[in-house]
Amino acid sequence: KAGVTQTPRYLIKTRGQQVTLSCSPISGHRSVSWYQQTPGQGLQFLFEYFSETQRNKGNFPGRFSGRQFSNSRSEMNVSTLELGDSALYLCASSLGQGDNEQFFGPGTRLTVL
Amino acid sequence: SQQGEEDPQALSIQEGENATMNCSYKTSINNLQWYRQNSGRGLVHLILIRSNEREKHSGRLRVTLDTSKKSSSLLITASRAADTASYFCATEAGSARQLTFGSGTQLTVLP
Repeated sequence: KAGVTQTPRYLIKTRGQQVTLSCSPISGHRSVSWYQQTPGQGLQFLFEYFSETQRNKGNFPGRFSGRQFSNSRSEMNVSTLELGDSALYLCASSLGQGDNEQFFGPGTRLTVL
Repeated sequence: SQQGEEDPQALSIQEGENATMNCSYKTSINNLQWYRQNSGRGLVHLILIRSNEREKHSGRLRVTLDTSKKSSSLLITASRAADTASYFCATEAGSARQLTFGSGTQLTVLP
């Protein structure tokens, strides 16, 4: 089975721009979660989608949004980028029900200049 | 915010030795998962232990969970240089399918 894929792997943007990141989960997985990793704050949960519906949302401003498509692929959007948005953005896929492992993609490294 | 802390923050050992990392958390959980991360890359899932389990093994890994103390430990036996990485514990609680991560332990295994 192919693992979780994320595109692009690296991205450089300037303040005020917007960015869209993409995540393709493992085949058969219906849940996709997004996390932000920074040296200062560590790994923080952004949101989780299951069957095209947002089930949970972390404590991030409204500039961070996402969606999930019928094939379970997910996109995350950040508008009006700030320097502090520079981070590694990780997505994780899982079956979405019961106790099950979350499998992470390689991440997208976003740098905001 | 992070659920808990990992201890130690950094650990340096010789190849062949055992490495033990500890994780503490704050709330009741459904399960606890351990992950490995190499140099800012993606997280690799190592093991999941449910709240009603006390110990679990996977190859050279042994995980224990003490829900009364809200703590877990990860033991890597006969460590190898390739085990050099950051190790994170993450908890899942309530109905929310989100992982709350610890601060991580940086393990360095010297050849």
